[in-house]
Amino acid sequence: SAVISQKPSRDICQRGTSLTIQCQVDSQVTMMFWYRQQPGQSLTLIATANQGSEATYESGFVIDKFPISRPNLTFSTLTVSNMSPEDSSIYLCSVHGGGETQYFGPGTRLLVL
Amino acid sequence: AQSVTQPDIHITVSEGASLELRCNYSYGATPYLFWYVQSPGQGLQLLLKYFSGDTLVQGIKGFEAEFKRSQSSFNLRKPSVHWSDAAEYFCAVGSSGSARQLTFGSGTQLTVLP
Repeated sequence: SAVISQKPSRDICQRGTSLTIQCQVDSQVTMMFWYRQQPGQSLTLIATANQGSEATYESGFVIDKFPISRPNLTFSTLTVSNMSPEDSSIYLCSVHGGGETQYFGPGTRLLVL
Repeated sequence: AQSVTQPDIHITVSEGASLELRCNYSYGATPYLFWYVQSPGQGLQLLLKYFSGDTLVQGIKGFEAEFKRSQSSFNLRKPSVHWSDAAEYFCAVGSSGSARQLTFGSGTQLTVLP
């Protein structure tokens, strides 16, 4: 299994600002995923990030709002841009590990005021 | 498109009682099925998974799940619940192809009474 860390673990931000979330994995992985979990809701996939290529965004999510970087095989960032209170969520990264399984990071809890 | 339904939003059981959490999926081929648990303030932890073979799979913390193709179900069970099992449980189905993107159900919140 993969060990995943995220920074920050939580943050409180003002509307109109941006926050960059970091995801670090302890092994090299091809695919990394970013999910959003809104309060009381299930997880929704934002995008898939492959190293060396543009991220693939799911319907309803756009690069201008959620730019993603994937500079190497162990690291990715997700930026939540021009935040509004509706962006208050838990943001989780995951990786496609061995045996067709996804492993999740601990999440970043974001509150936008 | 794949989908997952968890019909029970909230379940309450007494400590020591048995537990069954329901999960129904919709998928065109043989699915990859998962159960994850999310404790308060924590990320998601994988409980168990089904890809093929034996339809009864064992997971961590004494949980098991049974894949029933005829019913499109993958219910999670535990014979005796512990207070530490109180958490939110998510069923998920994985897509085919190389992406293996997960579609999650809406989750079931488990409360355990002393």
